[in-house]
Amino acid sequence: EDQVTQSPEALRLQEGESSSLNCSYTVSGLRGLFWYRQDPGKGPEFLFTLYSAGEEKEKERLKATLTKKESFLHITAPKPEDSATYLCAVQARDTGFQKLVFGTGTRLLVSP
Amino acid sequence: NAGVTQTPKFQVLKTGQSMTLQCAQDMNHEYMSWYRQDPGMGLRLIHYSVGAGITDQGEVPNGYNVSRSTTEDFPLRLLSAAPSQTSVYFCASSPGGLAKNIQYFGAGTRLSVL
Repeated sequence: EDQVTQSPEALRLQEGESSSLNCSYTVSGLRGLFWYRQDPGKGPEFLFTLYSAGEEKEKERLKATLTKKESFLHITAPKPEDSATYLCAVQARDTGFQKLVFGTGTRLLVSP
Repeated sequence: NAGVTQTPKFQVLKTGQSMTLQCAQDMNHEYMSWYRQDPGMGLRLIHYSVGAGITDQGEVPNGYNVSRSTTEDFPLRLLSAAPSQTSVYFCASSPGGLAKNIQYFGAGTRLSVL
């Protein structure tokens, strides 16, 4: 069974304090790993897709990396506006493209 | 830019009542999905559609029906609401082609069943 585990559940940082979020996964052949950001009371917003081990994607202060067992979302010099829940999801190669398996997310709070 | 629009934003139902959650997208996306999000659990797929007239079940389909008569609309029907269906419901759409794996979500419908 495909599974996604995210850690930590919650993370509190000071503005400018860099850190990383972890997404560990087990899947029967990875088609893609996705990172989403979710603000309170809103739907998830797409950030990145990673397809193969060694791949990296960057967007502003965020950088996502992928290995064969996990993905990291690195946050460099975060700002209060980076506060949100970050969701990781995987899609297996042998399932329909619609079938994403999501983790429970990491709640990030960045204090000024 | 409307994107994916869900209505209503909030709803309270009594056990046994039925209702339809509406979802519309204006991006001409082929694919649409319904998820539910519960505390301590990841988003779970209820039903999805790969085009008008084509739907299929996801991970947790029991108690829900869908239909897709147009590309734009993908309503979710609760046949006889139960307290276990108290949740936040998200509709998502995704384009075809190389970008088809990227799903765009609506703002959600928060449903309470008493």
